[in-house]
Formats: sequence, structure tokens, C-alpha cells
Amino acid sequence: NAGVTQTPKFRVLKTGQSMTLLCAQDMNHEYMYWYRQDPGMGLRLIHYSVGEGTTAKGEVPDGYNVSRLKKQNFLLGLESAAPSQTSVYFCASSYEGRQAASWSGGYTFGSGTRLTVV
Amino acid sequence: DQQVKQNSPSLSVQEGRISILNCDYTNSMFDYFLWYKKYPAEGPTFLISISSIKDKNEDGRFTVFLNKSAKHLSLHIVPSQPGDSAVYFCAASAWQNFVFGPGTRLSVLP
Repeated sequence: NAGVTQTPKFRVLKTGQSMTLLCAQDMNHEYMYWYRQDPGMGLRLIHYSVGEGTTAKGEVPDGYNVSRLKKQNFLLGLESAAPSQTSVYFCASSYEGRQAASWSGGYTFGSGTRLTVV
Repeated sequence: DQQVKQNSPSLSVQEGRISILNCDYTNSMFDYFLWYKKYPAEGPTFLISISSIKDKNEDGRFTVFLNKSAKHLSLHIVPSQPGDSAVYFCAASAWQNFVFGPGTRLSVLP
């Protein structure tokens, strides 16, 4: 059982280049999330999805786009990378949202993608 | 302005002693709280949660305490073990999504 898998693990981009980060989960989770982590700051939510074909903006969505064409995959795109997007990106998933009465708490996170934009 | 604060960037504790990690929040609408542990080069892993209808939740060596009037929660680890050395994040939610604190690095010394 792989859980949440992120690819790639590392990437260096030049300013203005584009790329897509892939998140795949094999737990049949409905909810998926993209976070970024920067030094001295907590994880900040970029975009999330509450089911196949749905996406929504999080706290810091500017400069990013996402797609959830298949339930198991959540893609994060950077159309024109900027040095401010240098960060570690984490994908997470959960079976339900926390407003569900049966929610047991917690997300399953991937191991992260370290992105450097030069 | 950060809604979830962890004012101690780091903490060192002797093996076998108690570790107390603190978290403060500003949004009175937060009603569910989580603690995560993170090792280097890995994603965060869920540790323990607490709802605002409780003031304590316990799971083995880990206990989370919530003081709603003070907008403060703490994670107690007893006894602390070297394998507990990691970065600990608290997170709070008012509805759907969680806001994370910046983390506290715990070092458990043998």
C-alpha cells in the first residue's frame, strides 16, 4: 500500500518555466490537498479538491492551477514559475472532510517535492 | 498575521522526561485541532486530535490538552524517547480546512 506518492521529489526550474507536480493516492480518498511549506511558516493550503472533477482555492492559490480528472490523482501546475515559488510542496488526502460526523481526524501526506526556482 | 502560533522554534528534553509542546491560536471559531509529527525528508504524520467539546485527549504516550478560554493547546509526550525527535506541527480548523503553525523542533537527548 503506497499511500500518497508525489513526483518528482526534486526539481530545479528557471524563472518563467512551467511544470506539473503529480500526486497519486491509492486509498480511495475523496479529498485531496496541495500545501507548501516555507521556513518559519506552517504548511499553507494552495488548492484542494473534495472529489473527482472538483477543485477549490486555498489560502495561497495565486500562480498555481490544479486539476482532478481522476479520483486518485491531483495535479498542481505552475504556468510561469517565480523565485517566490521556491518551496517544499506536500500533497495530502483524506477519506472525508472534517465536517463529516465520522471523521477520525488527520490527513495522509506524501513525502514532498522540493522545488527551487532560479 | 499567523492564526496559529508555536512560539518555541525548538525544544530539548532528556530521554524519559516529559516533553510539552505549546500552540496558541487567535481565531475563536476554531473548533478542531490536530498535531502532526514530521521527520526530515518525509511528509507529516498524524499524531492526535481534539475537538473543542473536550479539554483532553489521550493516546498512549501522547496527550493533548485544550484550554479554549486561553486559546491554547499543548501536546504532552511522556516518557520522551529519542525516536520522538522531530518537528511537531499543530493545526486548527473552523470548518473544512486546517491552518498550520510553524512547528517546533523537538530533540530528545539520550
